[in-house]
Amino acid sequence: EVQLVESGGGLVQPGGSLRLSCSASGFTFSNYGMHWVRQPPGKGLEHVSVIGSNGENTYYADSLKGRFIISRDNFKNTLYLQMSSLTTEDTAVYYCVKDAYYSGRGWYDLWGQGTLVTVSS
Amino acid sequence: EIVLTQSPATLSLSPGERATLSCRASQNVVSYLGWYQQKPGQPPRLLIYDVFNRATGIPARFSGGGSGTDFTLTISSLEPEDFAVYYCHQRSDWFPTFGQGTRLEIK
Repeated sequence: EVQLVESGGGLVQPGGSLRLSCSASGFTFSNYGMHWVRQPPGKGLEHVSVIGSNGENTYYADSLKGRFIISRDNFKNTLYLQMSSLTTEDTAVYYCVKDAYYSGRGWYDLWGQGTLVTVSS
Repeated sequence: EIVLTQSPATLSLSPGERATLSCRASQNVVSYLGWYQQKPGQPPRLLIYDVFNRATGIPARFSGGGSGTDFTLTISSLEPEDFAVYYCHQRSDWFPTFGQGTRLEIK
């Protein structure tokens, strides 16, 4: 079955760190760009980061100010998002998303169910 | 950053009616415009890509149009399962952006 399964979300205090993981199956993970997209409760979608299929090209939303790092392990078919210096504004459901192209500049044709990150004291 | 503005914010219609959703871009996105549907408690799903191409499994009642900065998503005859939130999305700029969404609700 073609799917993406996120893990690693939870409750974290402001200023804390968290690492999200996304396990991919049912397709050749190493052939596609991957994204993280987040959605604050009751709000719209915000693109967080993208990584190309070989892991060499990465881009981030300006609003993150260098606090997040996207990476991937093509041997483990896993995407990661390392988040640090978290604030309450980072509270959201984080979706792992497959791109239709290797570059990560295509359409988002497969979404995980999401993992909730709550930043609160 | 390219800003996408969707209108209306909420659209109230009845099953069987025609729905037209709009998306305006702050800059020319050429044909790099897509649409996603999101139902409560679910992740978004790709509906339309490159303005007018339906994604796999999307019914023919969904159609996209437009060019440059003005785009539309049309649902020709609403089915009960079509009531959801719709987002437009551009990938023209190196960093993609989404519109704020249009909520399609049952009248």
